[in-house]
This record gives sequence, C-alpha cells and structure tokens, in this order.
Amino acid sequence: DGGITQSPKYLFRKEGQNVTLSCEQNLNHDAMYWYRQDPGQGLRLIYYSQIVNDFQKGDIAEGYSVSREKKESFPLTVTSAQKNPTAFYLCASSKDSGGRGGRETQYFGPGTRLLVL
Amino acid sequence: SQQGEEDPQALSIQEGENATMNCSYKTSINNLQWYRQNSGRGLVHLILIRSNEREKHSGRLRVTLDTSKKSSSLLITASRAADTASYFCATVLSSGSARQLTFGSGTQLTVLP
Repeated sequence: DGGITQSPKYLFRKEGQNVTLSCEQNLNHDAMYWYRQDPGQGLRLIYYSQIVNDFQKGDIAEGYSVSREKKESFPLTVTSAQKNPTAFYLCASSKDSGGRGGRETQYFGPGTRLLVL
Repeated sequence: SQQGEEDPQALSIQEGENATMNCSYKTSINNLQWYRQNSGRGLVHLILIRSNEREKHSGRLRVTLDTSKKSSSLLITASRAADTASYFCATVLSSGSARQLTFGSGTQLTVLP
C-alpha cells in the first residue's frame, strides 16, 4: 500500500514546547515538501528537500526546522519560536529530483492538525 | 500576494449542473495544476496543463489555459454531490526553483443533491 503517511493526525503543543510532525513516503520519491494551511486559505511552503541531506527554505520557514536523513522521511519540527503555530500541516512528495526540467505533480499526505493548549 | 487566485471563492450548484472555476496568476509559468481537497484531508492532484497547451481533458474535467491573459479555468461537467470539495490551482514558475508550487486560496464547491 504505497503513499505518504503523516502522524499524528492531531497534535497539541504547550507554550514554549517544540513538537515534531512525522512524514514518511514509500513512493521512492526524491523531493519532499512541507506546507502550512490556515482556515480558508491556500497552502504556503515551509521547507522542501530535493535530495537526502539537503533542504531549502520556503516562503515561511521562520520558527520551523527540518531534516532529511533518509529518502523516505522528512520530519518537521515546530519550534517555540513559531508564535502562531495553529494550522493544518501537509507533507507532499514528488518523483523528480534535480535540475530545472522536472515539474512533476505532488502527492500529499492526509495532514496533521496542530493546536496550541 | 499569492501567485494564483481563484474565482469565485465559493460556488453552490445543483447536482447535474456544470461548475466552472477560474484561476489568475501574475508571472510566467511552466505549468499550472489543479488540486482537490476534501474537508480536513490532503490534496489530490487532478490535472496538469503545460504553458504550451491550451486545453486538456480528464474524464468530467476540462481545463483551459490562456497564457496571454494569465488565466486558467476548470470545468466540472455533470457535477455530483461527491464533487463537493475545495479546488486549488497551483503554478510552477518558468524561472526559479523547479520544485515550488504556488497555491491560490481555493474555490469551495458545494454540489447540492
């Protein structure tokens, strides 16, 4: 059963706490992405990674960190520096890697809803 | 502001009718994609149209692209209650990162049975 999984489905964060959202894919995709979605809004790119051990900031990277130690995994940490973390977080992957020629579609996980206590 | 903007923000139609959603963007694109999102779920890719294409079909979906007007439309024919969802356009720019999709704010479609 191939695809992208995200866990947990719901996550509660206390003030000053760092929390980590998991994203795993078994599609053998090279590129992975993290997006944030606020109510009634589109998606905004937080970070993306084209290959293992490399990642790039997106439009709203402040207060977030990522790692890409394995091709299958791209965890996102929401740090205490992110003052407004309540949102729906979506992870995605795409087949293409490297170069300007690839404009592949992205495959999304089911999302994690982060709420602040 | 975002690269893609959908219009209308919300659309309510009866089952069997056609639904048309529009997307406008600002800078030159390599391709434009449409995605669907059911409430509280991830996005599902529907269709991709490249900058050198004008029209594309997939089942009940028809997408057009007018690069001179920097706009695209998504037509869903013979709509069903199961088509109720939010629909987003997303653009890949012709310059810059090959990876980045820039999403609009979406159209919420409600199909009434």
